[in-house]
Amino acid sequence: DGGITQSPKYLFRKEGQNVTLSCEQNLNHDAMYWYRQDPGQGLRLIYYSQIVNDFQKGDIAEGYSVSREKKESFPLTVTSAQKNPTAFYLCASSIRGFGYGYTFGSGTRLTVV
Amino acid sequence: EDQVTQSPEALRLQEGESSSLNCSYTVSGLRGLFWYRQDPGKGPEFLFTLYSAGEEKEKERLKATLTKKESFLHITAPKPEDSATYLCAVQASNRGTSGSRLTFGEGTQLTVNP
Repeated sequence: DGGITQSPKYLFRKEGQNVTLSCEQNLNHDAMYWYRQDPGQGLRLIYYSQIVNDFQKGDIAEGYSVSREKKESFPLTVTSAQKNPTAFYLCASSIRGFGYGYTFGSGTRLTVV
Repeated sequence: EDQVTQSPEALRLQEGESSSLNCSYTVSGLRGLFWYRQDPGKGPEFLFTLYSAGEEKEKERLKATLTKKESFLHITAPKPEDSATYLCAVQASNRGTSGSRLTFGEGTQLTVNP
């Protein structure tokens, strides 16, 4: 079955650590996205990529980094510069262009300990 | 700047009590309005896409409608399994090369009591 897989489901980070969240899709979608979800704030866009080897900052990119070396993969690194990283992170993919919705992964819950 | 506002923030219904959720939006050049359902601790699940004012779509007990300023998600005779957070998102044509990104509202948390 085609889909989008995020791992791990739960992740704990110590202060000062960088951590990487995985996102893999086998839907043959060109576009991929990372959103952060906090209670009462909806989904906020961190980074997105419309083609391999290209990506753009979203609304809250500070403290995060991404890469897009393969069409199927779009990992997100939460760096030590992100001061409030505890949140639910969602990866999504879509056909590139207008009128297409996203397919979401099941999310990664990151907690700072 | 694209803006999406959903109301109410939370809604409690009795089983069988029909109601509507609202999504008001401000965009320059709407290319699509999307409804998603999200269960706790899971990723959003796609429900509907609406493209132009006057369009309607239905799925089981849900019906989505669209005007030039807002969308409604009507829930007819809801059941407890309809309890979830419902998210609305818009896609606008004013974003140039970033056109495919969606802007989300904060969601309406629906609880249906048996």
